[in-house]
Amino acid sequence: RKEVEQDPGPFNVPEGATVAFNCTYSNSASQSFFWYRQDCRKEPKLLMSVYSSGNEDGRFTAQLNRASQYISLLIRDSKLSDSATYLCVVNAGGTSYGKLTFGQGTILTVHP
Amino acid sequence: NAGVTQTPKFQVLKTGQSMTLQCAQDMNHNSMYWYRQDPGMGLRLIYYSASEGTTDKGEVPNGYNVSRLNKREFSLRLESAAPSQTSVYFCASRAPRGENTEAFFGQGTRLTVV
Repeated sequence: RKEVEQDPGPFNVPEGATVAFNCTYSNSASQSFFWYRQDCRKEPKLLMSVYSSGNEDGRFTAQLNRASQYISLLIRDSKLSDSATYLCVVNAGGTSYGKLTFGQGTILTVHP
Repeated sequence: NAGVTQTPKFQVLKTGQSMTLQCAQDMNHNSMYWYRQDPGMGLRLIYYSASEGTTDKGEVPNGYNVSRLNKREFSLRLESAAPSQTSVYFCASRAPRGENTEAFFGQGTRLTVV
């Protein structure tokens, strides 16, 4: 089983739609969680961290369920500029402290 | 504001040749990483260095070696390049403390092995 798994999509949605991405992780000792965004042929950049109580940043909401080892990202009122690949990232704990593992990414295309 | 600098940006190698990818960060980060990215595969961890003086294998270490030269620099070496190592390579670094700290990436090295 992969350490971090995402639905690769692709997701094609119209402007204004709400879209949700899911991610699961296998290491129960994982300590912190992130969503990164990657534009075509560019380096990944942090979109948001994911906190235990859930957190929101404008149109973006991230949720964490430690019991189910599950992370989600919700994008409301999608914009054309949201088109990108969204990467789920997990920071390991324990003996693998500091190890950052990426999911394979979910491709989102927002169309007019 | 240099951040994370990778060199070279592009490289073409012949099978069997060797090369070293260089990475340097100027943010005083303890942790540094090397990833490769292939189409549809996301970023796969090759090696990481949680702190100066330590290195650990990631998901796909075979065919690579690393050196954490000092706190700033983390190099990746291909001793005998193979076509399967054709990929985009990203170096990243991360702050010394705290769990929810952002990783910063270099712009990538596009490597083709023919």
